[in-house]
Order: sequence, then structure tokens, then C-alpha cells
Amino acid sequence: DGGITQSPKYLFRKEGQNVTLSCEQNLNHDAMYWYRQDPGQGLRLIYYSQIVNDFQKGDIAEGYSVSREKKESFPLTVTSAQKNPTAFYLCASSMTEWGHQPQHFGDGTRLSIL
Amino acid sequence: GIQVEQSPPDLILQEGANSTLRCNFSDSVNNLQWFHQNPWGQLINLFYIPSGTKQNGRLSATTVATERYSLLYISSSQTTDSGVYFCAVHPTGTASKLTFGTGTRLQVTL
Repeated sequence: DGGITQSPKYLFRKEGQNVTLSCEQNLNHDAMYWYRQDPGQGLRLIYYSQIVNDFQKGDIAEGYSVSREKKESFPLTVTSAQKNPTAFYLCASSMTEWGHQPQHFGDGTRLSIL
Repeated sequence: GIQVEQSPPDLILQEGANSTLRCNFSDSVNNLQWFHQNPWGQLINLFYIPSGTKQNGRLSATTVATERYSLLYISSSQTTDSGVYFCAVHPTGTASKLTFGTGTRLQVTL
């Protein structure tokens, strides 16, 4: 089935450690996105990518990094510079950028600090 | 940036009741989506509705773009409708930045 796969579902980070969250899609979508959700809040955009080897910062990019080496994959690294990483992270994709197609979401990764 | 306000913030319904959720936004938009986030965190697409009216089973949505609001109707509610409903918008003329409201938390009881 076509869809967006995020892994792992749960992730624990030690102080000073970088961790990478995986996002893979087989929908042949051009654009991919990472969002962060804190408890009781809506989603906020971290990074997005319109095409391979290109990505843009969203509203809360500090302490995060991404890469887009393949159309299907858009991994997110939470670096040690992100002082409050505990949150629910959601990856999304859409057919085109500029908002003219709906975004579809993966099931998310819950990140916690040990 | 664009502001997205949802009301009510919380709603408790008895099974079988109907409800209307509202989303107001402060600027023109290319895209408006309604999502249901279930208790496991999964975000389910309900509607892609930048304007007009759509129906899907017991759910329907209407967006009046010129007046900058959207409504989500839930009829004959079921316990499986419980969760948080989010409205998200993409402002016209901007790169991909879906801005989410803070949601309406719905609890449907027996």
C-alpha cells in the first residue's frame, strides 16, 4: 500500500546525543515536511523540501537538521543543540509544493529524553 | 503570520448527537485541511477544502474563503469520533507552510 512510514515509533535520547528520525514515502510525492507537536498543541513546521537536494527552514528549525538525497526519503536529525526535544514528530508529503495539494501524514515518532 | 483560531476548544457529546466545529483564519489561503488526530496520535485527513462544501459519510465541511472561515459538521456522533480535530491552512502566495490551529478536543460518551 502507498503511504508514509516513520520509524521508530518511540525514541529515547541521552543528553548530548544526536538522534535521527526516519521518514520514507512511496507516494511519488515531490514535497516532504517535518512537524513538531507538543502536548495539547497544534503542529509546527520544522523543515520542508520541495525537491531532492533542496530544503528550507520552517518556523522552528533551530537544533534540527535534514537531508533530501532521495525523493522517497527525508530524515530528520535532532541535534544536541535542541534543548527541549521531547515531543511528537510527524512527517508529511504532498504532490506539489505551494499548497495546491493536500498533505498526508505518517504515524509519528515520540521522542523523549532519558 | 496568519492566525488560525478553532472553537470550541473542548466539546463533550453523547453518542448520536450532532456538532459543528469552527475554524477562523486571518488571511487568504490556497489550502485548508481538516484532520482528526486519534488517541494514538495518528493524523487522519478528513477534508481538503479551500472553498465550497464536501461530504464524506457522517462528516461534511464548508469553507467560505471570502469570509475566512470553515465549518466541520459531525452528525450522529460515535465514540470513535473522539480525539482532536485540527484545521490547517496554507496562506496564499507563500511557500509550503501549513499553519495549524490549536484544535478542538472532542469526547463522545455512551
